[in-house]
Amino acid sequence: SQQGEEDPQALSIQEGENATMNCSYKTSINNLQWYRQNSGRGLVHLILIRSNEREKHSGRLRVTLDTSKKSSSLLITASRAADTASYFCATDLGSYSTLTFGKGTMLLVSP
Amino acid sequence: GAGVSQTPSNKVTEKGKYVELRCDPISGHTALYWYRQSLGQGPEFLIYFQGTGAADDSGLPNDRFFAVRPEGSVSTLKIQRTERGDSAVYLCASSSLARGSPLHFGNGTRLTVT
Repeated sequence: SQQGEEDPQALSIQEGENATMNCSYKTSINNLQWYRQNSGRGLVHLILIRSNEREKHSGRLRVTLDTSKKSSSLLITASRAADTASYFCATDLGSYSTLTFGKGTMLLVSP
Repeated sequence: GAGVSQTPSNKVTEKGKYVELRCDPISGHTALYWYRQSLGQGPEFLIYFQGTGAADDSGLPNDRFFAVRPEGSVSTLKIQRTERGDSAVYLCASSSLARGSPLHFGNGTRLTVT
């Protein structure tokens, strides 16, 4: 079963616009991670946020975590065509668990 | 440096045949994971190795699936009596740190069972 669920399933924007993707999960987590997957390729780790953190930045990426609502968001600012990919959140429940992935958000950035 | 390497990149096999999928992790990574990804879905966990031993095989769907990592480096996922429902992309990932740390993925093996 999948712990995290991304929203929306698909997102289409123009270059330069911001893209926001959301992830909701069901049980308490140790950390939450976001990954990107280009078509036909493996997943690439983007950012990790721990359960005691509320916000984290990495370049054009901003991730927030609200443990009371069991949700996270990924914001990509000033998007580029090269950001076109599927984005997945993955939850880690603790030392005896394995990362569990959601179904992903497909992002299309048009030039 | 070299990333996670998976071979073959594509495998087409007939229903009922046996297949082996290989994963060569990043050198020095002790943790190795196998995931399966169907079209439009996220990766689904299959099995996790810490060193040579399978620390968690709870994701293997049935006893037709088996994986080994005899020397703590290269791993092979083995599927017996393949079924059409086994068609998917099989992803391997490795990590140098404890469970829950970021994973480094290979590009996967696309398995098609006809």
